[in-house]
Amino acid sequence: EIVLTQSPGTLSLSPGERATLSCRASQSVTSTYVAWYQQKPGQAPRLLIYGSAGRATGIPDRFSGSGSGTDFIFTISRLEPEDFAVYYCQQYGSSPWTFGQGTKVEIK
Amino acid sequence: EVQLAQSGAEVKKPGESLRISCKGSGYTFSKYWITWVRQIPGKGLEWMGRIDPSDSYTNYSPSFQGHVSISADRSISTAYLQWTSLRASDTAMYYCARGPTAFDYWGQGTLVSVSS
Repeated sequence: EIVLTQSPGTLSLSPGERATLSCRASQSVTSTYVAWYQQKPGQAPRLLIYGSAGRATGIPDRFSGSGSGTDFIFTISRLEPEDFAVYYCQQYGSSPWTFGQGTKVEIK
Repeated sequence: EVQLAQSGAEVKKPGESLRISCKGSGYTFSKYWITWVRQIPGKGLEWMGRIDPSDSYTNYSPSFQGHVSISADRSISTAYLQWTSLRASDTAMYYCARGPTAFDYWGQGTLVSVSS
């Protein structure tokens, strides 16, 4: 099973700042099959990024992803008030599919 | 519009059985896998398993294998997550999501509470 470790656990930033989240896999992820999701309290997760760098339908271009192998990065170029939430990475290259433990982006 | 509509919240006792559902609409149900994800209150997301509605092939996480079963009825575009004997530790929110790769649509979640 591929274990995904996200860092940091919590990121305290102000609106307008840049957020950079990391997701490290315990072994190489097949074909960059990594996705990123946003979850707000009381809501289901929402797909933001798939295939490591592809933006899902309707996702603003301030959200971006990159990486390959075991190291993946998710970036929010300029935080908007609605971006404060928990973000999860997920790999779907090797069964069982797994999620990281999440990074909370909170208002500083 | 693609939607996944889940059944309502459940309150059960340990040892009881339960089946929750996830009905797809706005797309061809048999063309996309359905995955189930658990979220214990205040915790992260856990992938439980998935089903291909076209042939009912299933694949489970070892963490859930043998404790839950996933099934689907293509004729009514509905997938199910089932327990034969619930435990208190099954208390969680359960989401269905559409695959087969990244999960682009999610249900609203079904809260399952198990307590004596």
